[in-house]
Amino acid sequence: GENVEQHPSTLSVQEGDSAVIKCTYSDSASNYFPWYKQELGKRPQLIIDIRSNVGEKKDQRIAVTLNKTAKHFSLHITETQPEDSAVYFCAVFSSGNTPLVFGKGTRLSVIA
Amino acid sequence: NAGVTQTPKFRVLKTGQSMTLLCAQDMNHEYMYWYRQDPGMGLRLIHYSVGEGTTAKGEVPDGYNVSRLKKQNFLLGLESAAPSQTSVYFCASSSHLAGDGTEQYFGPGTRLTVT
Repeated sequence: GENVEQHPSTLSVQEGDSAVIKCTYSDSASNYFPWYKQELGKRPQLIIDIRSNVGEKKDQRIAVTLNKTAKHFSLHITETQPEDSAVYFCAVFSSGNTPLVFGKGTRLSVIA
Repeated sequence: NAGVTQTPKFRVLKTGQSMTLLCAQDMNHEYMYWYRQDPGMGLRLIHYSVGEGTTAKGEVPDGYNVSRLKKQNFLLGLESAAPSQTSVYFCASSSHLAGDGTEQYFGPGTRLTVT
């Protein structure tokens, strides 16, 4: 089955700096890569996703890049703000009837 | 439009007791999922359903059973609770399993403690 590795597990940045979280996966047939944000005590919510036919997608301060050859994708947050502090999960969906496999999460702390 | 709801929000069980967690969605989604979330482990899939009357095992199905008698509801049962089942349980739903509509919408979670 699919194996998803997410790094780092914790990340602290100064407000205004950029944050990058990376995930690697094992199934070359995987074709959908979402990122979820989970604030403390809340439910996970989708913040951005990318499909395998696209190399990069951007939404304001958030971007995701995908390298299918190397089987990794990354979340980029620019101009970080305190409200970006949360746990971020990557996930991978393969072309078969297999639901999403999640990474173990990255706890991002933005220090004001 | 409430989205995905879960009941109860909190529950404390004694070892060996049973309980059922209810998930309901009002988005007419075909696909529903049950996850458990433990510290440092991310979200792990317990069971899922690809439509009314169907269920399938996920990554960590042991000790749990599920039923999808109605399209809008997905029930998770613990027949004999164990302390290892202490966790936060999230239900989710999606309209598709691939392509557009794959986004999973999560419920607010149920915090279960087994003593």
